[in-house]
Parts: sequence; C-alpha cells; structure tokens
Amino acid sequence: EPEVTQTPSHQVTQMGQEVILRCVPISNHLYFYWYRQILGQKVEFLVSFYNNEISEKSEIFDDQFSVERPDGSNFTLKIRSTKLEDSAMYFCASHTRRAEAFFGQGTRLTVV
Amino acid sequence: ILNVEQSPQSLHVQEGDSTNFTCSFPSSNFYALHWYRWETAKSPEALFVMTLNGDEKKKGRISATLNTKEGYSYLYIKGSQPEDSATYLCAFPGGSYIPTFGRGTSLIVHP
Repeated sequence: EPEVTQTPSHQVTQMGQEVILRCVPISNHLYFYWYRQILGQKVEFLVSFYNNEISEKSEIFDDQFSVERPDGSNFTLKIRSTKLEDSAMYFCASHTRRAEAFFGQGTRLTVV
Repeated sequence: ILNVEQSPQSLHVQEGDSTNFTCSFPSSNFYALHWYRWETAKSPEALFVMTLNGDEKKKGRISATLNTKEGYSYLYIKGSQPEDSATYLCAFPGGSYIPTFGRGTSLIVHP
C-alpha cells in the first residue's frame, strides 16, 4: 500500500541552526502539506503546495520557513534559524483533489 | 480561518461501553468532512470521508453520521475496546481543499 514517508524520525538541533525535514508523498497525489503539533496542542496547518508552488500558508509559516519539491518526489520543509518554540512533531501529508489526506509518521523536532 | 470544533476534548470509558463524540464545522461551502484516528506514536489515519447530508458510514464497530445543514458530524463507537483508545480528529477541507483539523477527542478505554 502506498504511503507517505518522512525522514528523519527524530531531529535534535541547537537553537539558531537550520534544519531540513524531508517527505516523500504518494506518487500520484497533487496536494502536499506540512502540519505540526506542539505537545498537548492541536494539529496546526503550516503550508500547502500544489502545482510546484505554495498555494496557502498560515501565519506560523514566516520567513524562517520554506518548502521545496526539488526533484518531483521529495517535499522538504526548511527552518532557517530554529527557535525553541519550533519544537514539535512535523507531519507531511498528501492527497488527491477531494480525497482524505495520507500522513507520514512525522518528524519529532527538538530544539535545544 | 475555519472554525472546526470537537467535543468532548477527552473521554474515559469502560471496555464494552458505547460512546460518541461530535465535530462541528461551518455549514456553508461544504464539500466533505473527514474523520481520522490517531494512535499514540503513529500518524493520523483516515477513517471516513463524508460528503452527503445524511450520510452514515460504518467500519466495524465505528460509525459516523453527517448533518451538513446544521454543520455537525457524530462518531459512534459501539462496545468500546482498549484498542480503540486513540485521538479522533475531524477535518473540514474548505474551498481550497486544505483540511482544517479540530483539536481532537482523546478516547481512553479502560479494561
């Protein structure tokens, strides 16, 4: 069964460092997303990506964040200069136009 | 920002009890409502995609109903088992198809 895969599963980084979280969405999906969940809080939308460009982004997704789909399969989230409050589980998801989303297993990011 | 609310926030039941919880969403511009099950240390997994007013979907002991006119969906679990313990999320994709998630209902089933 096709699945969304994310790497790494856990990333520990120093405050101020850059991190890149990687995702391989399901191959025939058209819409790609990054969500995050801070411990004990709700799942928050970060950004959506369609047709090789950002379609929407939330207020969380500021200039420190960027996304890329460099090679038609990987979908990356880069945080340029991490802050303590960026510590969260980051989930990548993908779907076809009107169907449910499929999520990766998540990357736990810990900023110290 | 779409307002998707779930209640209760958490629920403790005994094995064998039946239970239900609610998702409310904007009743305008509806095209789908998704239910997900999220077990600890796993990623959310889709349970149901509901599209028509009056829809009722079933998967084993879990079922869901949809009222698009009043903007709510119920999820029912009949005869809860410990393995049903999870967070149940609903998501409402708006006009741009981006799913907005509720906060979830955390269900714990005690043996």
